[in-house]
Amino acid sequence: GAVVSQHPSRVICKSGTSVKIECRSLDFQATTMFWYRQFPKQSLMLMATSNEGSKATYEQGVEKDKFLINHASLTLSTLTVTSAHPEDSSFYICSARDPDRHTEAFFGQGTRLTVV
Amino acid sequence: GQNIDQPTEMTATEGAIVQINCTYQTSGFNGLFWYQQHAGEAPTFLSYNVLDGLEEKGRFSSFLSRSKGYSYLLLKELQMKDSASYLCAAVDSNYQLIWGAGTKLIIKP
Repeated sequence: GAVVSQHPSRVICKSGTSVKIECRSLDFQATTMFWYRQFPKQSLMLMATSNEGSKATYEQGVEKDKFLINHASLTLSTLTVTSAHPEDSSFYICSARDPDRHTEAFFGQGTRLTVV
Repeated sequence: GQNIDQPTEMTATEGAIVQINCTYQTSGFNGLFWYQQHAGEAPTFLSYNVLDGLEEKGRFSSFLSRSKGYSYLLLKELQMKDSASYLCAAVDSNYQLIWGAGTKLIIKP
């Protein structure tokens, strides 16, 4: 099946620093990728939709200046958490759709971010 | 508005059968997914239904009724490794996934 690779899988950073998370579609071209955040025992919360070659579309309540998304190619989207704070600690997951395989969303492995 | 409802938690016994229900209200409909998510891991695909009826895949089956806005995931011969959260997600007219909050399934010996 289609593969989406996300890394790092775990990262610990100091408060005030920035962290970049990468999401790659390995065997298909993804014009659209999605970034989710998931707090413990809660469902996935869509943060933003990343569109190749254009600006990301952010969900209400998500600060676009804090969560920078870049989708520079058809196989790579990045999420940068800027000036991270402990409340940003969460599980971040990306997903992408293979346009040739109906609408199924393939997920990356997720990134566990801990801000200390 | 768009909404997905599924039970928060269910408990079942190893070897038994459990049915997890999901009701949805979306702007348009282009199918419904079920995903399994173990704690600390990303969701993994289980099934996709777009037509009415039951689709069976090994121990797991998924059912859809478009007229009722209803789906269920049926798990047979439960194993301890089936303990996980099960996420229901409907696809709206814009092909966006609308996620349910997930059902935590606890399997007891």
